[in-house]
Amino acid sequence: EEQLVESGGGLVQPGGSLRLSCAASGFTFTGYSMNWVRQAPGKGLEWISYISVTSTTIYYADSVQGRFAVSRDNAKNSLYLQMNSLRAEDTALFYCARANGDGRYAFDIWGQGTMVVVSS
Amino acid sequence: EIVLTQSPGTLSLSPGERATLSCRASQSVSGSYLAWYQHKPGQAPRLLIYGTSTRATGVPDRFSGGGSGTDFTLTISRLEPEDFAMYYCQQYVRSPYTFGQGTKLEIK
Repeated sequence: EEQLVESGGGLVQPGGSLRLSCAASGFTFTGYSMNWVRQAPGKGLEWISYISVTSTTIYYADSVQGRFAVSRDNAKNSLYLQMNSLRAEDTALFYCARANGDGRYAFDIWGQGTMVVVSS
Repeated sequence: EIVLTQSPGTLSLSPGERATLSCRASQSVSGSYLAWYQHKPGQAPRLLIYGTSTRATGVPDRFSGGGSGTDFTLTISRLEPEDFAMYYCQQYVRSPYTFGQGTKLEIK
């Protein structure tokens, strides 16, 4: 079964840091670009980052540019999101999502999400 | 940034009825890089339609997508009880890969 499992969420103080992980299984990780998408409480989906298979192409939403860093380890079938300078408005459920190819593709596999709460 | 505006915000219908959801883009979404997702509480979002009109694997044929340029639609021909959920459109033609704000499809 093709699966994505996020981890690393939790409670963090404003200004703090957190690193999310996404473990992929059941498919060839090196065949797909990956994304992070979040959903704040009571809000809609917000795309925040994209990384290509070889990590040569990386994009961020303006809301996280300069604070978040996406990376992947193809040997470990894993995707990461390093989040620094966290703000209250970063409180959200964070999903990793597979793009159905390497490039501009829709997101066909999603994890169940990991919750991040930024609060003092 | 391409802004996607979905309408209506909430759609109240009964099982068996036809649902039409709209997604309007602030700029042309060339190459049909437009997708639709279904999202239920406590679940991961589910890809329904990609490339404007292609159904994802396992999606029933009562779901169909159409449109071009800046105007896109998702149609559910005959609503089943399990179809009541949030629906989002998304463009992936260029970064940032924006989502619409969503349409809530609720039981009337």
